[in-house]
Amino acid sequence: EVQLVETGGGLIQPGGSLRLSCAASGFTVSRSYMSWVRQVPGKGLEWVSVLYSDENTHYADSVKGRFTISRDNSKNTLYLQMSSLRAEDTAVYFCARVNIGGFGYNCLDYWGQGTLVTVSS
Amino acid sequence: DIQMTQSPSSVSASIGDRVTITCRASQGISSWLAWYQQKPGKAPKVLIYGASRLQSGVPSRFSGSGSGTDFTLTISSLQPEDFATYYCQQTHSFPSLTFGGGTKVEIK
Repeated sequence: EVQLVETGGGLIQPGGSLRLSCAASGFTVSRSYMSWVRQVPGKGLEWVSVLYSDENTHYADSVKGRFTISRDNSKNTLYLQMSSLRAEDTAVYFCARVNIGGFGYNCLDYWGQGTLVTVSS
Repeated sequence: DIQMTQSPSSVSASIGDRVTITCRASQGISSWLAWYQQKPGKAPKVLIYGASRLQSGVPSRFSGSGSGTDFTLTISSLQPEDFATYYCQQTHSFPSLTFGGGTKVEIK
C-alpha cells in the first residue's frame, strides 16, 4: 500500500528556516517524480516544487531561491527545506507522487495528509 | 503562466442531482487536465486525468470532458459522500501545475 507521511511543520518566526519531511512507503521515491503542494487554510491549492527521478528540480516563482526540494534514497524520504520564511508561506504543505502518464497525462496520484506551517512572530 | 478559472465557486445540490463544474484555461492545454476532490481536513484525491480518463477506483458517476480551453467535470447522480470541494489542474506546462480556484459542492 502506498503511503506518504509528512512531518516537520510548526510555528516559525518570519525569516526563519524549517525542513519538512515526507516518508514514503509502498514505492521508491528515487524512481518517482515527487512534488510539494501547499494550501492556505480555507483557500485553494498552490503547486510549490517538483523533484524528478533524475534529480532535476523545479520551483514556483513564489518560493524560488528560498525553498529546496531533495530526497534521501536510503530513507525513501522527500524533503522541503524552507528558508527566509514569510507570513504568506503559512499553509498546509502536502507531498504527493507525480504519476507520469502516457501522452503527458500526468497527475498527483498519492498525497500525504499534510503538515501545517505557521509563519508568525 | 497558464491561469485556470473554475465556475461556479460554489453550487448547492440535492442527492441524486446532476452536477456540472466548469474549468477554463487561459490558453489551450489540449487534454492535459486533471480533476481532484478534497474533503475538509483531508488531502486531495485525483478523480480524472487526461481530461476524461477515470482514475482507478473512482466511481463511474464521475466523468470529465473537454479539450483546448474548456473542460467539464460531471457528477451524474450526486451521492452524500460527494459533498466536497473540486479542483481542476493543468499539466500542460509541467512541471508547473496550476490549479483552479475550486468549486464547493454543498447540500441544498
